[in-house]
Amino acid sequence: SQQGEEDPQALSIQEGENATMNCSYKTSINNLQWYRQNSGRGLVHLILIRSNEREKHSGRLRVTLDTSKKSSSLLITASRAADTASYFCATDARIIQGAQKLVFGQGTRLTINP
Amino acid sequence: DAGVTQSPTHLIKTRGQQVTLRCSPKSGHDTVSWYQQALGQGPQFIFQYYEEEERQRGNFPDRFSGHQFPNYSSELNVNALLLGDSALYLCASRILIRGPLNTEAFFGQGTRLTVV
Repeated sequence: SQQGEEDPQALSIQEGENATMNCSYKTSINNLQWYRQNSGRGLVHLILIRSNEREKHSGRLRVTLDTSKKSSSLLITASRAADTASYFCATDARIIQGAQKLVFGQGTRLTINP
Repeated sequence: DAGVTQSPTHLIKTRGQQVTLRCSPKSGHDTVSWYQQALGQGPQFIFQYYEEEERQRGNFPDRFSGHQFPNYSSELNVNALLLGDSALYLCASRILIRGPLNTEAFFGQGTRLTVV
């Protein structure tokens, strides 16, 4: 079963606008990672934010994390057609004896219209 | 520096057959995990390998098995294929750090398996 839920499931905006996607999760985490996926191919790592961090930036990306609300958001500023993709959040549960796994939400399908 | 590489990229198998998928981790990475992604869904964790042992397993039947080799590469084997096994299979690698911190997980391009 999925731990995370992305919201919205689909988002369509005009090129140049900002896109915001949200992710909620259920259990305690060590960190949360955001990924992009184009056309059902591999996942591209975007950003990792640790549980003791509240905000992180990378280029046009801004990620926030609110552990009290068990939620995260991904903001893409000045969107481009190339940003059209599915975006997933993935939570990293606490390590037990070296075991690690990512738990993904169902993703947000982002479409940037020219 | 090559990232995570998977082979083959596409595969068509018949129900009941067996399949082996392969993954080479990113240079310097020592742990490999496998994920199954059905169409329109997020990836689902299958299992994780570290030091050539399965360390954690998701909710997948014993038909799914794996292996990690001394060079950290990994294989995913699926026996007695079902139509429902059709999916994108993703391999991810990372460096295992024992402690409260985790490192980024990097994914390969995936293997698209179609069972007919």
